[in-house]
Amino acid sequence: EVQLVESGGGLVQPGGSLRLSCAASGFTFSHYAMNWVRQAPGKGLEWLSYIGSGGDFIYYADSVKGRFTISRDNAKNSLYLHLNSLRAGDTAVYYCAGAPSYSRYMAVWGQGTTLTVSS
Amino acid sequence: ETVLTQSPGTLSLSPGERATLSCRASQTVSGNYLAWYQQRPGQAPRLLMNGASSRATGIPDRFSGSGSGTDFTLTISRLEPEDFAVYYCQQYGNSPVTFGGGTKVEIK
Repeated sequence: EVQLVESGGGLVQPGGSLRLSCAASGFTFSHYAMNWVRQAPGKGLEWLSYIGSGGDFIYYADSVKGRFTISRDNAKNSLYLHLNSLRAGDTAVYYCAGAPSYSRYMAVWGQGTTLTVSS
Repeated sequence: ETVLTQSPGTLSLSPGERATLSCRASQTVSGNYLAWYQQRPGQAPRLLMNGASSRATGIPDRFSGSGSGTDFTLTISRLEPEDFAVYYCQQYGNSPVTFGGGTKVEIK
């Protein structure tokens, strides 16, 4: 079964840091580019970051550039997102999503992990 | 960045009716690289369409996509109970990728 499972969410104080993880199974992880997408409570989807299948190409949305860092470990079938300088506006469900290496539509999605930034 | 405007915001229909959802881009979407996703309450998004009109694996043929350039449409020919959800378009032809604000299809 194709599966992505996110973890690492929780309650963090403003200004804090966190690392989210996404574990892949059931497909050849190294053949997929990966993304992080978030959804604030009651809101739509916001793309955050992209990393190529080999970890080569990396892109960020302006809203998180300089604060968030995406990485992957193909040997461990895992994707990561390091979040720094967190603010209340980062409160959201964070999804990892896989895209075929030749494209950028998101074919595979995890169930999400919830981050709440609050004092 | 390419802004995607989805309309209507909410569509109230009955099971068996036809649903027509619109996604309009602020500039031409390169390659007509537009995807549609379905999100049921409490669930993650699910890919329905890519390349504007190609159904993803396992998606029933009552879902169809069309359009090019700046105007795209998702049509559900006959609504089933499980189709009542929120639908998002996403363009991936221009950088950065962007999502529309969503259309909620609710039971009338």
